[in-house]
Amino acid sequence: DQQVKQNSPSLSVQEGRISILNCDYTNSMFDYFLWYKKYPAEGPTFLISISSIKDKNEDGRFTVFLNKSAKHLSLHIVPSQPGDSAVYFCAASAGGTDKLIFGTGTRLQVFP
Amino acid sequence: DTGVSQNPRHKITKRGQNVTFRCDPISEHNRLYWYRQTLGQGPEFLTYFQNEAQLEKSRLLSDRFSAERPKGSFSTLEIQRTEQGDSAMYLCASSYGERREQFFGPGTRLTVL
Repeated sequence: DQQVKQNSPSLSVQEGRISILNCDYTNSMFDYFLWYKKYPAEGPTFLISISSIKDKNEDGRFTVFLNKSAKHLSLHIVPSQPGDSAVYFCAASAGGTDKLIFGTGTRLQVFP
Repeated sequence: DTGVSQNPRHKITKRGQNVTFRCDPISEHNRLYWYRQTLGQGPEFLTYFQNEAQLEKSRLLSDRFSAERPKGSFSTLEIQRTEQGDSAMYLCASSYGERREQFFGPGTRLTVL
């Protein structure tokens, strides 16, 4: 039972353009959502998070949007840079438990 | 702030052997988590500590797995009688207080031959 889904295994974007990574979830008890970036042979690096009481959170080039009615969130990266090339994981947690439930990841490639 | 550290970074062992991994969380982080990641999947939760108390264990954590955090600082994860299916990246993360962001270490890659 995949509670957090990232349906696009890969995404290719030109440098300077917008990257949009999507994530869907099924568990309505999730109240906190996070995005992580992962390079090969390294652990996931925290990027940005959002509470379910908000619908948008912005940090520099990264913006996360949350649509609770659709159980959907997205990560926007503007402008995309070659150094953004990595695997991006969406994760969620429910209040009362600290464990993170991860999606399967989307590999982003930013080309010049 | 030195980040979460994990040792060893790589471990190759033969089936049936025992292995132990160590995680040192970020200083003063009271919560510590273990996850496992296999190829093509996201990290999967194994267990979590608040200070020295182990508060939750996944059903993925069979009786061959044991985790400890004896003094509420570093943690160890031991796998007894390893099987080829245990081959994975074992990730440790920590967090502080009520904050829900978890910060991950570089992981220990286990290969069971």
